[in-house]
Amino acid sequence: QKEVEQNSGPLSVPEGAIASLNCTYSDRGSQSFFWYRQYSGKSPELIMFIYSNGDKEDGRFTAQLNKASQYVSLLIRDSQPSDSATYLCAVKGWTQGAQKLVFGQGTRLTINP
Amino acid sequence: DAGVTQSPTHLIKTRGQQVTLRCSPISGHKSVSWYQQVLGQGPQFIFQYYEKEERGRGNFPDRFSARQFPNYSSELNVNALLLGDSALYLCASSLIWTSGGPQETQYFGPGTRLLVL
Repeated sequence: QKEVEQNSGPLSVPEGAIASLNCTYSDRGSQSFFWYRQYSGKSPELIMFIYSNGDKEDGRFTAQLNKASQYVSLLIRDSQPSDSATYLCAVKGWTQGAQKLVFGQGTRLTINP
Repeated sequence: DAGVTQSPTHLIKTRGQQVTLRCSPISGHKSVSWYQQVLGQGPQFIFQYYEKEERGRGNFPDRFSARQFPNYSSELNVNALLLGDSALYLCASSLIWTSGGPQETQYFGPGTRLLVL
């Protein structure tokens, strides 16, 4: 089982609709969760982080965390063509004495005008 | 303030060669991490450095090495390049080391795209 799993997509959503991106993780002790957006040929850009169960909203973005189900999601409201990108879910983990981010493979999102 | 910077942006090498990639963290950030991202996959952790010391490494062979300088910039070295080393190499910086580890948010640089022929 992969440590962090995402549906690779592609996920196609009409402009103005809500895009829902999902992520599951295997380490029940994980405490910190991150969503990054990556445009083609570019590096990952942090969108949001969430530490507590429930919802966290930032503009058009809402992150949802359910630690009991080991599930993290990202909702994008009023989707715009500029939201078309790959969305990476990351979970904080440890290796030896180092903190690391463990990433899923990413979900490719396409917003159709 | 400038973000994380990396150089070079692109690099082409042949099998067996050696390569050095460079990273400068955000001003005031003391921790640098390196990740490898192969096409179609999420980034994979290679190293983390804090205050010029290696804090840990991921599942990468000894051909991969790194160091951090007094100004907190960092170099990643890869020896005896293989075709499979072709990837986007990402540097991420974070602020401080707290009692629970580095401040958790990591900010990525633009990356160095390495092609091994």
